[in-house]
Amino acid sequence: DAKTTQPTSMDCAEGRAANLPCNHSTISGNEYVYWYRQIHSQGPQYIIHGLKNNETNEMASLIITEDRKSSTLILPHATLRDTAVYYCIAIPSNFGNEKLTFGTGTRLTIIP
Amino acid sequence: DTAVSQTPKYLVTQMGNDKSIKCEQNLGHDTMYWYKQDSKKFLKIMFSYNNKELIINETVPNRFSPKSPDKAHLNLHINSLELGDSAVYFCASSQGSGMDEQFFGPGTRLTVL
Repeated sequence: DAKTTQPTSMDCAEGRAANLPCNHSTISGNEYVYWYRQIHSQGPQYIIHGLKNNETNEMASLIITEDRKSSTLILPHATLRDTAVYYCIAIPSNFGNEKLTFGTGTRLTIIP
Repeated sequence: DTAVSQTPKYLVTQMGNDKSIKCEQNLGHDTMYWYKQDSKKFLKIMFSYNNKELIINETVPNRFSPKSPDKAHLNLHINSLELGDSAVYFCASSQGSGMDEQFFGPGTRLTVL
């Protein structure tokens, strides 16, 4: 599986857009980019995923570069409840789950 | 309604004991999972179980065994607990296998003394 790298931490002002980057320079053609987040003391929560096209849902937008070596998760209007650790993971479509590991992610703090 | 539930929320036990953590999902999903999140916050998959097919992370000791009495439940049994087993364990479920959107439970914090 492609290794992903993310900044350790980021701050964002409440009401502003939070842009979380992820590098996955070794991603292969059949690997999807998934984003999950984990709010303190809770289980991870799915946010969004994509292969090569940009994606948007009610929670966020995912922008994937044309070469697919990096992506950005965008929370358009961050609220205090968006404070969490955000994980970017690259998973192949024929994934067998046997070695999935979430990295250390980005700790996003929303500032009032 | 709770989608994925786990019991107990906290579990404190002595080394060498055998313990179980229960997981139930009411989403009608086909696949269930167990994850371990260690003290460094790495979240690693342990098992996935789909239609009686068990996929095991090869790094998981055989002291850990999942048991699925039916499609809605996947319990985790741990024999001969060791100090290094202390972690938070998350159960999850998804409609299909692979990386379909997974719904996670609240976690069980296991402390081995």
